Amino acid sequence: AQSVTQLGSHVSVSEGALVLLRCNYSSSVPPYLFWYVQYPNQGLQLLLKYTSAATLVKGINGFEAEFKKSETSFHLTKPSAHMSDAAEYFCAVSTPGNTGFQKLVFGTGTRLLVSP
Amino acid sequence: GAGVSQSPSNKVTEKGKDVELRCDPISGHTALYWYRQSLGQGLEFLIYFQGNSAPDKSGLPSDRFSAERTGGSVSTLTIQRTQQEDSAVYLCASSPDRGGAETQYFGPGTRLLVL
Repeated sequence: AQSVTQLGSHVSVSEGALVLLRCNYSSSVPPYLFWYVQYPNQGLQLLLKYTSAATLVKGINGFEAEFKKSETSFHLTKPSAHMSDAAEYFCAVSTPGNTGFQKLVFGTGTRLLVSP
Repeated sequence: GAGVSQSPSNKVTEKGKDVELRCDPISGHTALYWYRQSLGQGLEFLIYFQGNSAPDKSGLPSDRFSAERTGGSVSTLTIQRTQQEDSAVYLCASSPDRGGAETQYFGPGTRLLVL
């Protein structure tokens, strides 16, 4: 079964610093991978997704992620953190459900803290 | 152009009572999902609907949980005889189709607290 592991429940950066949030996946088939962001008391918003086209995926708000098959990784990066990036970030893999649909299996999430 | 909406946004109930949570998906989306987000378990899949097909209930944690989707649109998640461990945020998502690359669009969630 497909799964994802997010290293680090909390990541702290200073405003303007590089953001790196780690995600490793486990999949026996080529995966579809997603990064979602959740702001306090809100639902999840898609940042970007990998669907086997380009390995470097650009998303909203300046985020990008690179699919590395050899490392089974899909780390999320942003060159310069902004205070508004403070939120919880979830990596997810699309995996087949019982009836052929695709459900999302989420990592445990990483809370990004940005200090001035 | 409205997104996924859920109601109520917050619900406080007493142990043993039944609750109903509502989800209005994006118009035209055929696939609808329910997830639960809790401190101990993270984000878990509960149930999936695709059009008028029978739902996939493989993620429901017990027979106290049920859901229906009327007319291929609005969905209601019902929890009977609520327990304190049911306290969580219940998220609904919809997508245009069921394909693996499809983006799921999430609602703001219903925060359930069982006293």
